[in-house]
Amino acid sequence: AQKITQTQPGMFVQEKEAVTLDCTYDTSDPSYGLFWYKQPSSGEMIFLIYQGSYDQQNATEGRYSLNFQKARKSANLVISASQLGDSAMYFCAMRENNQGGKLIFGQGTELSVKP
Amino acid sequence: DVKVTQSSRYLVKRTGEKVFLECVQDMDHENMFWYRQDPGLGLRLIYFSYDVKMKEKGDIPEGYSVSREKKERFSLILESASTNQTSMYLCASTRTAGVYNEQFFGPGTRLTVL
Repeated sequence: AQKITQTQPGMFVQEKEAVTLDCTYDTSDPSYGLFWYKQPSSGEMIFLIYQGSYDQQNATEGRYSLNFQKARKSANLVISASQLGDSAMYFCAMRENNQGGKLIFGQGTELSVKP
Repeated sequence: DVKVTQSSRYLVKRTGEKVFLECVQDMDHENMFWYRQDPGLGLRLIYFSYDVKMKEKGDIPEGYSVSREKKERFSLILESASTNQTSMYLCASTRTAGVYNEQFFGPGTRLTVL
């Protein structure tokens, strides 16, 4: 069974608008972490934001925020005020407490920001 | 500035060749990982290591082996390269404890097997 699902292979957004990238997950471990990474065309993986399963508040990092809905097992990434440099692949990933540091990745969403 | 480095950004090899991909991290991390990335499939774990000389198979270990003789270095070996191993290979490292610890990635190696 897929543990991390990103259902949007590609997304378009107008510059300066907000965009939401979807991510759902599946785990029976009560302690886990959720991560979002950005991968520009150059290939490097850039860590964006983290949400812990016990965190009471949604994580925010600058223009990035994570809409964490634990009961629905979703961890959507919201990018506000999109910029041309936000065009990239975005990956959602999960780290379970009993899995020795392994990350499980979703398939990714390719975001294109239009001028 | 923390860093994970990989020996090559681009590599072209012939079918049947033995291929070594090297990864070095300078953060004294216990855990190191090798992934391959293919369009539409995300990142898939090949092998990981949680200590020197220790290794565990990931989701797609067939056709690959690994070596970790020193804490900072984790090598991926393709014993006899095949065209279906043409892919992007990413190395990563992280601390063992704490679900909050992100993985740090190297720049990736784009391997083409002809």
